[in-house]
Amino acid sequence: KNQVEQSPQSLIILEGKNCTLQCNYTVSPFSNLRWYKQDTGRGPVSLTIMTFSENTKSNGRYTATLDADTKQSSLHITASQLSDSASYICVVYTFNKFYFGSGTKLNVKP
Amino acid sequence: DGGITQSPKYLFRKEGQNVTLSCEQNLNHDAMYWYRQDPGQGLRLIYYSQIVNDFQKGDIAEGYSVSREKKESFPLTVTSAQKNPTAFYLCASMGVRDRVPGHTEAFFGQGTRLTVV
Repeated sequence: KNQVEQSPQSLIILEGKNCTLQCNYTVSPFSNLRWYKQDTGRGPVSLTIMTFSENTKSNGRYTATLDADTKQSSLHITASQLSDSASYICVVYTFNKFYFGSGTKLNVKP
Repeated sequence: DGGITQSPKYLFRKEGQNVTLSCEQNLNHDAMYWYRQDPGQGLRLIYYSQIVNDFQKGDIAEGYSVSREKKESFPLTVTSAQKNPTAFYLCASMGVRDRVPGHTEAFFGQGTRLTVV
């Protein structure tokens, strides 16, 4: 069964600290994996895309990793800001479908 | 600019009424999707359509209906049979960004928040 699992479900950190979010998947065949940021009451916005051959990719303070062998991905947020408070969703794509994780809700406190 | 547009942003419905949420895209995508999101929960698939004049039920289709008469449009009707319709509804379409093989991507609207009053 194609599944995407994220952990932790929620996370509270202090402003300026780093954090890492996890995504494990069983989706096959694999096309790509994206991390999205969803602000409350808004649509998800893509942060990074990882294809099969990519191990790591950065977008500003966001760094995503992918281990296609173990089917695991992580999103590392450096020097967190209050505006990082949102839900972060891992989405794994086959060539004609996509599968959502349930998201990690991040709360950055001053 | 190409994109996907949902309207209205906020919608209020009286109990027993049907309401229709609009979703339009000008990305020339064949596949379109409707999701429901409850507070603190993940996205759940209501209906999807891979091509015009065809659509399939998702995981929580009961109490909802859709149509796909045009490629650009995929409206969702929340019927009176949906017992708990208050939620955030997201529409998405899927295509290949920048014509790069392997870069399949879902494009999301900004959502409609439906409240039953």
